[in-house]
Amino acid sequence: QKEVEQDPGPLSVPEGAIVSLNCTYSNSAFQYFMWYRQYSRKGPELLMYTYSSGNKEDGRFTAQVDKSSKYISLFIRDSQPSDSATYLCAMSSNNAGNMLTFGGGTRLMVKP
Amino acid sequence: EAGVAQSPRYKIIEKRQSVAFWCNPISGHATLYWYQQILGQGPKLLIQFQNNGVVDDSQLPKDRFSAERLKGVDSTLKIQPAKLEDSAVYLCASSTGGAKQYFGPGTRLTVT
Repeated sequence: QKEVEQDPGPLSVPEGAIVSLNCTYSNSAFQYFMWYRQYSRKGPELLMYTYSSGNKEDGRFTAQVDKSSKYISLFIRDSQPSDSATYLCAMSSNNAGNMLTFGGGTRLMVKP
Repeated sequence: EAGVAQSPRYKIIEKRQSVAFWCNPISGHATLYWYQQILGQGPKLLIQFQNNGVVDDSQLPKDRFSAERLKGVDSTLKIQPAKLEDSAVYLCASSTGGAKQYFGPGTRLTVT
């Protein structure tokens, strides 16, 4: 079993839809949770960063962490074709530069 | 602020040949990472530097991979000799030491 599981998709939605992306994990030591967006042939771009449980909102993006269930989510409101990319969740067990453990990524396609 | 720079962007070599990748991190970032991303998967950490010292190289295949970060700034990752299974994108990331990591565009390696 992988430490971080993520549905690979692809997930296809119409423009304007609300998108929900999820990851589950097994390591209870993870405390820092990130979402990266990766366009084709580009490096991952940091979208959201959260510590421990709770919600964080940034524009159209909302990140949720439920440590009791070992489950994190990224919601995208009013999705746009420009949101079409692969979304990677990543986690770390401490803030001292420790390695990130990534999910396999979910490919999202937003159709006009 | 300039991002993480990597070169070359693309490289095609034959198996058993050697190859080297270069990374220049964000100015002032003491921590530098090399990741390997195989098609359809999330990035996997190969090595982590703190200034010019190695923090974690437990997942680096040391019989063929080597990396250095002279003077605590630029870094090079070398593969010698390359195998077919080394075909991947090699990503460099940097951070100030916290969990937030910022990635370069990557070098896409094809081994034939």
